Amino acid sequence: QVQLQESGPGLVNPSETLSLTCTVSGGSITSHYWSWIRQPPGKGLEWIGYIHYSGSTIYNPSLKSRVTISIDTSMKHFSLKLTSVTAADTAVYYCARSFMGMTWGQGTLVAVSS
Amino acid sequence: QAVVTQEPSLTVSPGGTVTLTCGSSAGAVTSGQYPYWFQQKPGQAPRTLIYDTTNKHSWTPDRFSGSLLGGKAALTLSGAQPEDEADYYCLLSSSGAPWVFGGGTKLTVL
Repeated sequence: QVQLQESGPGLVNPSETLSLTCTVSGGSITSHYWSWIRQPPGKGLEWIGYIHYSGSTIYNPSLKSRVTISIDTSMKHFSLKLTSVTAADTAVYYCARSFMGMTWGQGTLVAVSS
Repeated sequence: QAVVTQEPSLTVSPGGTVTLTCGSSAGAVTSGQYPYWFQQKPGQAPRTLIYDTTNKHSWTPDRFSGSLLGGKAALTLSGAQPEDEADYYCLLSSSGAPWVFGGGTKLTVL
């Protein structure tokens, strides 16, 4: 059964770049769609974007200018970079796989603060 | 991009039936938007209940069902249990277009 695990810094300085990695185990990364989703404290879910295993991407228009999602099939992980962060980017960040439903990672809290 | 709307809150009695809906500012929700429904309990990651409008995961209780109803995606809970109290989110995932979550419905079983 596929499992996803987010990793990365829990604290990022304002104006810097947030970088997270999602490691995939128990299944192939060379198929399906791989998404990043976030949830600010006490608020709802926001879809950030996805990458197809072929490398094609689609992003949330409200974040598109600051987001890059990439995939490394040899390392079985995919990554999120979000530039020029502010306090509004503080959230739990989830990675997820879309195939016959959606499988989620457990999430990782990233705070933006100096 | 379209705005996806859900009821902010609903209350159901134990054993009762409730329907949560998911509408789009772009028009009627269709099966081509592959609607998802997720359940999230406090402090936990969301888990998928329904995908592609009507399909259930192996862990989805039989009392949950998905459908299209009056131009919206719908999640019906028949025979509510106390453990069903949670936040519920829909997601519209059109091919080749940005995906959009609804704002979520806080379901109280009381």
